[in-house]
Amino acid sequence: TQLLEQSPQFLSIQEGENLTVYCNSSSVFSSLQWYRQEPGEGPVLLVTVVTGGEVKKLKRLTFQFGDARKDSSLHITAAQPGDTGLYLCAGPFSGTYKYIFGTGTRLKVLA
Amino acid sequence: EPEVTQTPSHQVTQMGQEVILRCVPISNHLYFYWYRQILGQKVEFLVSFYNNEISEKSEIFDDQFSVERPDGSNFTLKIRSTKLEDSAMYFCASSGETYTNYGYTFGSGTRLTVV
Repeated sequence: TQLLEQSPQFLSIQEGENLTVYCNSSSVFSSLQWYRQEPGEGPVLLVTVVTGGEVKKLKRLTFQFGDARKDSSLHITAAQPGDTGLYLCAGPFSGTYKYIFGTGTRLKVLA
Repeated sequence: EPEVTQTPSHQVTQMGQEVILRCVPISNHLYFYWYRQILGQKVEFLVSFYNNEISEKSEIFDDQFSVERPDGSNFTLKIRSTKLEDSAMYFCASSGETYTNYGYTFGSGTRLTVV
């Protein structure tokens, strides 16, 4: 069974700090997506990583796909209160049309 | 920026009643999905729809659920006889040509409360 485990589950940090959240699986994924979800809203796509070892940057957010395409990380530099939200990784379930979602990391950035 | 639109944003219904959740996907997208998220839990796949038919469904998507694209723009999820455990946020999503590598655009969701 393909599962995506995210860590940490919860993270509360001060504005200006750096942080990294992780998305891990024992299975290989053809791609992984990262989403941010705010309360009462749908997930918003941040990035898709496709190639093993790929690094993508979105302003202060840096996403990396593991060489073996089994894991990914999201690093936020100088976190701001606007970064607060639930961060989800997701990937296509092998051989199907569906995505599976990770367990999520709930981030709170304090001013 | 193109959006996926869902209506209503919140629906309260009596147990046993039928509900229809509506979605307008992005116009040039080809793949359509319904997901749900029970409060505090993971986003769970319900069904995918392509070329006017269901391409995949989960074990959650039993006989009380159905989907339809009645007019080429709307995409609906019908729950025939709602149960208390159907209470959740229901998200519609759509994606472009290559479903695996483009990710989804999600709507803002419909919060369904079954009482």
